[in-house]
Amino acid sequence: DAVMTQTPLSSPVTLGQPASISCRSSQSLVHSNGNTYLNWLQQRPGQPPRLLIYDISKRFSGVPDRFSGSGAGTDFTLTISRVEGEDVGIYYCMQATHFPRTFGQGTKVEIK
Amino acid sequence: DVHLLESGGDLVQPGGSMRVACAASGFTFSNYGMSWVRQAPGKGLEWVSTISSGGGNTHYSDSVKGRFTISRDNSRDTLFLQMNSLKVEDTARYYCVTDVGPVGPLYDNWGQGTLVTVSS
Repeated sequence: DAVMTQTPLSSPVTLGQPASISCRSSQSLVHSNGNTYLNWLQQRPGQPPRLLIYDISKRFSGVPDRFSGSGAGTDFTLTISRVEGEDVGIYYCMQATHFPRTFGQGTKVEIK
Repeated sequence: DVHLLESGGDLVQPGGSMRVACAASGFTFSNYGMSWVRQAPGKGLEWVSTISSGGGNTHYSDSVKGRFTISRDNSRDTLFLQMNSLKVEDTARYYCVTDVGPVGPLYDNWGQGTLVTVSS
């Protein structure tokens, strides 16, 4: 199984400052078709998860451009360029290259 | 608009059975693989099962294999999860999610979830 490890698990951030979350997989997430199915999800309190980024770096429809994804192979990063109040929540990386699908433990982003 | 509406969650005793359903609308259901993802209270996300668009291929997590069965009815745009031999640790909110579609396994549409509580 592809074990997904996120760091940090908690990220207190000042409004307007950047935040960065790392996600490392225990195995390559490159699919046999050449794509890398690494997604980032946001879960606000009391809400279902919401897709932010797919295929490492593609911003999903309606997602603000302050969110960006990067990485390759086994190491990936989600960056929020300037944190806003509505960004408070838990962020998960997940891989959909292999079965079983696996999620990171989640990173809680909160405002200092 | 895409809409996924889960139903069927309830309180059940350990060892019992339950079937949860997900009614889909706003997209061509039969073009998408579908998954169930669960979240225990206060915990992270856990993938449970996936079924291919036509229903011919299924995958399960080790924690539910042999106890849960995923199925779908494309004529009714509905996804199901039959859960047998339920354990206390199956207590969670169960989300229905779009998996493999025309652009790939985006996990881009989530229902609100249905709460399954296993307790005596």
